[in-house]
Amino acid sequence: EVQLVDSGGGLVQPGGSLRLSCAASGFIFSNFWMGWVRQAPGKGLEWVANIKEDGSEKYYVDSVKGRFTISRDNAKNSLYLHINSLRAEDTAIYYCVREVAGGAFAGWGQGTLVTVSS
Amino acid sequence: EIVMTQSPATLSVSLGERATLSCRASQTVRSKLAWYQQKPGQSPRLLIFGASTRATGIPARFSGSGSGTEFTLTISSLQSEDFATYYCQHYNNWPPWTFGQGTKVEIK
Repeated sequence: EVQLVDSGGGLVQPGGSLRLSCAASGFIFSNFWMGWVRQAPGKGLEWVANIKEDGSEKYYVDSVKGRFTISRDNAKNSLYLHINSLRAEDTAIYYCVREVAGGAFAGWGQGTLVTVSS
Repeated sequence: EIVMTQSPATLSVSLGERATLSCRASQTVRSKLAWYQQKPGQSPRLLIFGASTRATGIPARFSGSGSGTEFTLTISSLQSEDFATYYCQHYNNWPPWTFGQGTKVEIK
């Protein structure tokens, strides 16, 4: 069974930083593109970033380019999102996702809440 | 960036009735279209990918159709557990992948 466990969220001041983590199990992690999707409170879903199986390609939504960095450790079956220069509009639940079929998300973490507030 | 537009925003349906949800892309996404279901307080769940292929474990009452810019998710006979918000998402070519704003299916 595919399992993704998200962690690392919390309350942070504007301009602050966090590192989100996702622990994967139940599948061969190194065989899949992985990504992050976020959802602001009461709002819809927004794709944030993804990373190729070997980490050689990474893509980001424009609003986070230069501030967020996605990475992975295939030896630890883990995905990360380093988020810097946080803004109020980054407040959201962040979900780790496993990509299939070129970009559909079959497998979601339970989400970790990031709140940016002073 | 491809804009995904869903309609209606809210759909009121009775138990056992058919529900038809629409999703339109601002430019062609071929068949690179997925549908998700999200219940309050839960993570989304993949229903359909490739516009019409049901994901593992998804009941046959869920079906997807369309290609290019116009897509439909049909729930043939609504069950109580189907009341939720549904999102479409394209994944054509390269990112950014984008979602529609969602359709909430509520009890009539």
